[in-house]
Amino acid sequence: AQSVAQPEDQVNVAEGNPLTVKCTYSVSGNPYLFWYVQYPNRGLQFLLKYITGDNLVKGSYGFEAEFNKSQTSFHLKKPSALVSDSALYFCAVRDEGNTPLVFGKGTRLSVIA
Amino acid sequence: DGGITQSPKYLFRKEGQNVTLSCEQNLNHDAMYWYRQDPGQGLRLIYYSQIVNDFQKGDIAEGYSVSREKKESFPLTVTSAQKNPTAFYLCASSIDFGTAGANVLTFGAGSRLTVL
Repeated sequence: AQSVAQPEDQVNVAEGNPLTVKCTYSVSGNPYLFWYVQYPNRGLQFLLKYITGDNLVKGSYGFEAEFNKSQTSFHLKKPSALVSDSALYFCAVRDEGNTPLVFGKGTRLSVIA
Repeated sequence: DGGITQSPKYLFRKEGQNVTLSCEQNLNHDAMYWYRQDPGQGLRLIYYSQIVNDFQKGDIAEGYSVSREKKESFPLTVTSAQKNPTAFYLCASSIDFGTAGANVLTFGAGSRLTVL
């Protein structure tokens, strides 16, 4: 069975500082990994995905994520945080089989001016 | 513009009543999904449909029912058997379900159900 963990419920960072939102996963084969963002009372928006290839994936709004197979991690990063990045971030994973996407519990990012 | 429309945005229900949440997409996507979101619990899959006239239970299907009679529509009924229905419900779709596992989900804006 596949699973994903986001170990931090809340991450606080000052505007202009780098940010990291952590995600670890468990699948039986090769993973397909995703990050989504949710603003208040809205649906989720896709940020980026890792399927295969380069371990560093670049996505929307200046976000990137690094796939680390040995550590089974897919942390979301941004070099310089903006106040507008404040939102709820979800990591998701699925395996190569015919199973639906599984989401983590989410990490609330707060960027302080 | 293509997208997913969920209605109503807010819904209040008395205990013992069934309610139906609408989800319509004009993206020509084959696969559709219903998720439930509760604070601190992330998104949990209720039902999903890979193609018209077919659907499968997700992790928390008890007390819910769905139909997929048209490609564009995937309504969710919250029945009186659902013991704790107050939540934010999200509908999503993807081009198809299984191709390389790489398909991105497009989400609607959600429906917030409150049981009085």
